[in-house]
Amino acid sequence: DSGVTQTPKHLITATGQRVTLRCSPRSGDLSVYWYQQSLDQGLQFLIQYYNGEERAKGNILERFSAQQFPDLHSELNLSSLELGDSALYFCASSVDGEKLFFGSGTQLSVL
Amino acid sequence: QKEVEQDPGPLSVPEGAIVSLNCTYSNSAFQYFMWYRQYSRKGPELLMYTYSSGNKEDGRFTAQVDKSSKYISLFIRDSQPSDSATYLCAKEYSGAGSYQLTFGKGTKLSVIP
Repeated sequence: DSGVTQTPKHLITATGQRVTLRCSPRSGDLSVYWYQQSLDQGLQFLIQYYNGEERAKGNILERFSAQQFPDLHSELNLSSLELGDSALYFCASSVDGEKLFFGSGTQLSVL
Repeated sequence: QKEVEQDPGPLSVPEGAIVSLNCTYSNSAFQYFMWYRQYSRKGPELLMYTYSSGNKEDGRFTAQVDKSSKYISLFIRDSQPSDSATYLCAKEYSGAGSYQLTFGKGTKLSVIP
């Protein structure tokens, strides 16, 4: 168990809908990262937050947004969902940025 | 060209074999290299971490970095069925307080009893 908690584990929704994925980092970790994993693209970095502030952006679509709250948990919001958004979404946390600990992921299926 | 290239396999070996997993990278502007192991339907877990050329050993696992040829390798000795997983190499870029990992697509390994 990495200590990173992600909910829900599975999410099934329809195109055009909006969903929220939640992540609780390991105790003491200030950084939260979001990754998307699909069969064709592999593991892609989306966005990083550090102590509530956005620190880095990767291949994140404009339809996607994230935030980190004062208690350090983070949410990834996905809107106007398309079939191609179906993927595994991982959250990871770290204390120093050099070693990431990943949650078990949220499997998103857009039908 | 993707920054980290990895042979997707799948790779199937008998129990007890020595496994060699390899990655190449194209951008020299980083220092840190990692190997992650991912079991089916689980999140990646950090296996090995190194920031220099040469070898780093941890039990049955050895990570090797050759910066001159931009080559990263992971060797598994005395492979076990429990080593069956997807192995992801990653390189880290750090700057301005941010750390970004770029992953290879992973090599799926099966160790047959």
